[in-house]
Amino acid sequence: GAVVSQHPSWVICKSGTSVKIECRSLDFQATTMFWYRQFPKQSLMLMATSNEGSKATYEQGVEKDKFLINHASLTLSTLTVTSAHPEDSSFYICSANPPPAYEQYFGPGTRLTVT
Amino acid sequence: AQSVSQHNHHVILSEAASLELGCNYSYGGTVNLFWYVQYPGQHLQLLLKYFSGDPLVKGIKGFEAEFIKSKFSFNLRKPSVQWSDTAEYFCAVNSGGGADGLTFGKGTHLIIQP
Repeated sequence: GAVVSQHPSWVICKSGTSVKIECRSLDFQATTMFWYRQFPKQSLMLMATSNEGSKATYEQGVEKDKFLINHASLTLSTLTVTSAHPEDSSFYICSANPPPAYEQYFGPGTRLTVT
Repeated sequence: AQSVSQHNHHVILSEAASLELGCNYSYGGTVNLFWYVQYPGQHLQLLLKYFSGDPLVKGIKGFEAEFIKSKFSFNLRKPSVQWSDTAEYFCAVNSGGGADGLTFGKGTHLIIQP
C-alpha cells in the first residue's frame, strides 16, 4: 500500500518560535495532501488542503499566517507553525491520495508540544 | 457543510461478541464514506470505503459496513470481535468528487476484553 511519512514524530519548542513539519509520500506522487489536527481524545479536524505548485486552501477558522503550508514537490508538503504558543500544542497528521484520488493514506503524525 | 456523528464513544465487549458501531452523516449531496481504525500507537488505517454500487461493503479484518441512504447511515459491523480489535474507530466522509479532505466523527474507543 501507499506510504506517507512525517518528520519529526515529536517536537518540543519554546513559545514564540517556529516549527516545521514535513509530510512525504514515499512511493507515489501526490498533487494534493491534507493537514489535520487532533486534540487529545478527540477527532481529527481538517486544517488545510495542500496543493502542489499553488496556494493551500485553508478551512474556516484556521489562521493562514500561523500555519504556513508549502507543497514544493509532488512528494513533499510542509507545515510551519509560526510563533507557536502553548495552545498550538497538538497532534498534527498529514494524508495524501495516491491516484485515483479516492482513498487517503495517513502519516504517523507529529506531536507538537509548545512550552 | 458536512458533519459526522458517531453515537458510541466508548464500547466494551467480550471476545466473540458481535459489534456494530453507528455512524450518521449530514450532507445533501453525493458522499464517499470511510471507516478508519487507529490501533494504540499507530497511524490511521483504512478499514473500508463506500463510493457507489453495492451498499454492503466488506473491508479488511472481517469488518463490513452498510450504507443506508435513507437513514444517512454507514454503520460498521463485525460478527465476532477479537482482542486485537481494541482500537479507536473513526467514521469519515467527503463529497462526491473524492479528492476532498475528510470530515471525521469523534471516534469510538473500542475495548475488547479477553
